[in-house]
Amino acid sequence: NAGVTQTPKFQVLKTGQSMTLQCAQDMNHEYMSWYRQDPGMGLRLIHYSVGAGITDQGEVPNGYNVSRSTTEDFPLRLLSAAPSQTSVYFCASSYSDRPPLHFGNGTRLTVT
Amino acid sequence: GDSVTQMEGPVTLSEEAFLTINCTYTATGYPSLFWYVQYPGEGLQLLLKATKADDKGSNKGFEATYRKETTSFHLEKGSVQVSDSAVYFCALSDLDYGQNFVFGPGTRLSVLP
Repeated sequence: NAGVTQTPKFQVLKTGQSMTLQCAQDMNHEYMSWYRQDPGMGLRLIHYSVGAGITDQGEVPNGYNVSRSTTEDFPLRLLSAAPSQTSVYFCASSYSDRPPLHFGNGTRLTVT
Repeated sequence: GDSVTQMEGPVTLSEEAFLTINCTYTATGYPSLFWYVQYPGEGLQLLLKATKADDKGSNKGFEATYRKETTSFHLEKGSVQVSDSAVYFCALSDLDYGQNFVFGPGTRLSVLP
């Protein structure tokens, strides 16, 4: 099993550029979520989805969009990157919305 | 809202030393509690969990007991190894009150040979 797969592993963007962080899981999990990890702040929830066609905002949603057209995929879009979005991004999934969460290996994003 | 507080470290220990990483929480309801571990360059992995008061979660020599009276879930290991060097996150899930996972800031552990 591949589990949760995130691409790319690293990305550098200029301010104002857009990009999509990809996340796919092969465990038939209904629940998927995006976190950002910043030093001293732990993981903060950006957006989450409890199933295909359903998304909701987390703690820090501004500047990010998501969609969930299939059970397997949950891409995160940055429409106009800002230096404050420099972070490590983790995608996580679970069966229904119950623990445990399964995490991908992360995408390290730098915005200059 | 719900929150998790843990010692931020870094914590540096010699091999075979005793480890304690403190974790306390505040929650509206009756959350489940977790410890996750993150090895360099990887995502978080579930280390152990406890779902009700006085439950003890254990895995790979690590233990933590759900203490409702002190709202704590401290992580302990009797004898750490170099391979235990990682970042450890305490987390809660309070789903009955509509609360997704809440993570602490993480504690970096370095174990020296």
